[in-house]
Amino acid sequence: DIQLTQSPPSLSASVGDRVTITCRASQDITNYVAWYQHKAGEVPKLLIYATSTLHSGVPSRFSGSGSGTVFTLTISSLRSEDFATYFCQQYNTAPPPFGPGTKVEMK
Amino acid sequence: QVQLQESGPGRVRPSETLSLTCSVSGYSINNGFYWSWLRQSPGKGLELIGSIYHNGKSYYNPSLKSRVTLSMDTSKNQFSLKLRSVTAADTAMYYCARPRGGSPHYYFDPWGPGTLVTVSS
Repeated sequence: DIQLTQSPPSLSASVGDRVTITCRASQDITNYVAWYQHKAGEVPKLLIYATSTLHSGVPSRFSGSGSGTVFTLTISSLRSEDFATYFCQQYNTAPPPFGPGTKVEMK
Repeated sequence: QVQLQESGPGRVRPSETLSLTCSVSGYSINNGFYWSWLRQSPGKGLELIGSIYHNGKSYYNPSLKSRVTLSMDTSKNQFSLKLRSVTAADTAMYYCARPRGGSPHYYFDPWGPGTLVTVSS
């Protein structure tokens, strides 16, 4: 089974910071990677699919990149509404594993 | 705009059956798409439980397949989850969601807000 890890598990950042989260897969998953944002008590939201395709309505400060086994989510300039947990998902195989999440907290 | 909402008991006794329903608004589930259940146990990552298509075709996570049944009620625009013989390990936040993409390559959007189910006596 494919395993996903994320780094860092958590980070502290300030509004305006550039934030990068990494998702690593235990084997090649081509470009079948999605990223989600989840705030406590709210609905998880799809941000990016197919590694770098921004979901409808997602601000352009979010971007995704990568290939093979290493993928990144970048927030170019952090805003207050971006403090949340972010998790990746591979969907190259079924059942699709999810990463453990990265919590972005206010510094 | 498609919206999903989970409902069901917040507590289930060990060895009993967990039953949850997902109500869909803004789209008729009879028109297509798979519909899925996922869960996140404390301290663990998300896990797909299974997905059901409008014609009844279903996919179950092999790790749960022996205990899970998914069903649809198109007249109510709902789909449901039954998980049998639950233990404390089944305590989790349960989500319903719509898979996107094409078989077997699915990501999920939208999601319901989730419902916490605790297994305890």
